[in-house]
Amino acid sequence: GESVGLHLPTLSVQEGDNSIINCAYSNSASDYFIWYKQESGKGPQFIIDIRSNMDKRQGQRVTVLLNKTVKHLSLQIAATQPGDSAVYFCAEINTGGFKTIFGAGTRLFVKA
Amino acid sequence: DAGITQSPRYKITETGRQVTLMCHQTWSHSYMFWYRQDLGHGLRLIYYSAAADITDKGEVPDGYVVSRSKTENFPLTLESATRSQTSVYFCASSEGSGGSYNEQFFGPGTRLTVL
Repeated sequence: GESVGLHLPTLSVQEGDNSIINCAYSNSASDYFIWYKQESGKGPQFIIDIRSNMDKRQGQRVTVLLNKTVKHLSLQIAATQPGDSAVYFCAEINTGGFKTIFGAGTRLFVKA
Repeated sequence: DAGITQSPRYKITETGRQVTLMCHQTWSHSYMFWYRQDLGHGLRLIYYSAAADITDKGEVPDGYVVSRSKTENFPLTLESATRSQTSVYFCASSEGSGGSYNEQFFGPGTRLTVL
C-alpha cells in the first residue's frame, strides 16, 4: 500500500498494554480536535473528537485528553491490539472556518 | 457503492504531462478537499471546495487546478506534472462546517509517480 512516512515518530507497545500518543497543536484559537487513524494503503479514518471546552472524552477503548494551557492533545488506547497498528494523526480545526490542520503523525507498532 | 472513491489508485506519468485525479462521493457532502501526503509529512491541503462552483486554494496549490461542476465530483488536475508532485493524494469530504460536521471522510488515495 501507499507509504505514509518512514521518518515518523514511532511508538512500539506490547499487545495488551495501554498506548499513549501525543500531539502538540499550533493554534490557540482552534476549538475542535480530531484523532485520525491511517492504516497502510488506506485513507485516514476518524477515531474520536473533542471540543475545546472539554478536557477529556472517552470512546470505546480510546480516550482523548486536551490540555489547552500547553496546547497538547493525547490519545490513549486501552489494551492495545495488533489491529491498532497504524499511523495516528491529530487534527485541529478553528470552527470559525472549516479547514483542518493535521499533525505529522505517529506510527504505532503493536507487538504480539 | 456509497462512500468516497478515487481513481486511478496508481498512476505513473512523465514530467510535463497533464494528469487528472478523480474523486467521487455519494453522500452529497458540501465540502470536498484535496490533500497530498509526503514521506515524513502530514496531510497538506491543496484545494478545497465549499459547494459546487466554489473552490479555493489551500496551503500548497501551485501547479494544481480543480473544478467542481457537480457536488459529487471534485477532480484535481496537474497541468504540467513535475517530479516534486510525486506523492500520495487523498480526497476527502465533509458535511459542512461547525462541530462534528467537520469530520472529514477520506478516499483510499492515489499514488502518483512523476518520472
